[in-house]
Amino acid sequence: EVQLVESGGGLVQRGGSLRLSCAASGFTFRTYLMGWVRQTPGKGLEWVSSMSGAGLTTYYADSVQGRFIISRDNSNNALYLQMSNLKNEDSGRYYCVRGGGCTGGNCYTSDNWGQGTLVTVSS
Amino acid sequence: EIVMTQSPVTLSVSPGERATLSCRASETVGTNLAWYQQKPGRAPRFLIYSASGRATGVPARFSASGSGVEFTLTINSLQSEDFGVYYCQQYKDWPFTFGPGTRVDVK
Repeated sequence: EVQLVESGGGLVQRGGSLRLSCAASGFTFRTYLMGWVRQTPGKGLEWVSSMSGAGLTTYYADSVQGRFIISRDNSNNALYLQMSNLKNEDSGRYYCVRGGGCTGGNCYTSDNWGQGTLVTVSS
Repeated sequence: EIVMTQSPVTLSVSPGERATLSCRASETVGTNLAWYQQKPGRAPRFLIYSASGRATGVPARFSASGSGVEFTLTINSLQSEDFGVYYCQQYKDWPFTFGPGTRVDVK
């Protein structure tokens, strides 16, 4: 059974930083694109970032480009999202998702989601 | 970026009836279109891929169609567990984008 468990969310001041983690199990992690999707009151569901299985290709939404960094540790089946210079509009629930991105000329969406971790940015 | 729109915003349906949800893309996405279901307090659940393929474990009462810019999700004989919010999402071009959702509630 595929399991994705996020952690690292919390309350942070505007301009601060936070690192989200996702522990994956139940599948061959290194062979899958992985990503982060957030759900915010203002914009609904928004794809934040994705990374290829080997970690060589990354995707970022324009709204987070230059502030967020996605990474992965295939030896420990873990995905991360380093968030910096956080803004009020970054507040929301962040989901770790399996899939999401393009490889070999094909694009793939996400077929499994974690339960999410809540990020709150305060002024 | 490709903008996704959905209609109606809310659909009130009686159990046992059919629900038809629409999704439109601002430019063609081919068949790179997915549907998700979300219930309160839960993560979205993957329902449909490639515009018409049912994900593993999705009941046959869910069917979907379309290509290009117009897509439809049909739920036949609605069950109590089918109420929630449904999102379409394109994955033809990055950034992958979601529609605003259609809420299906009890009539």
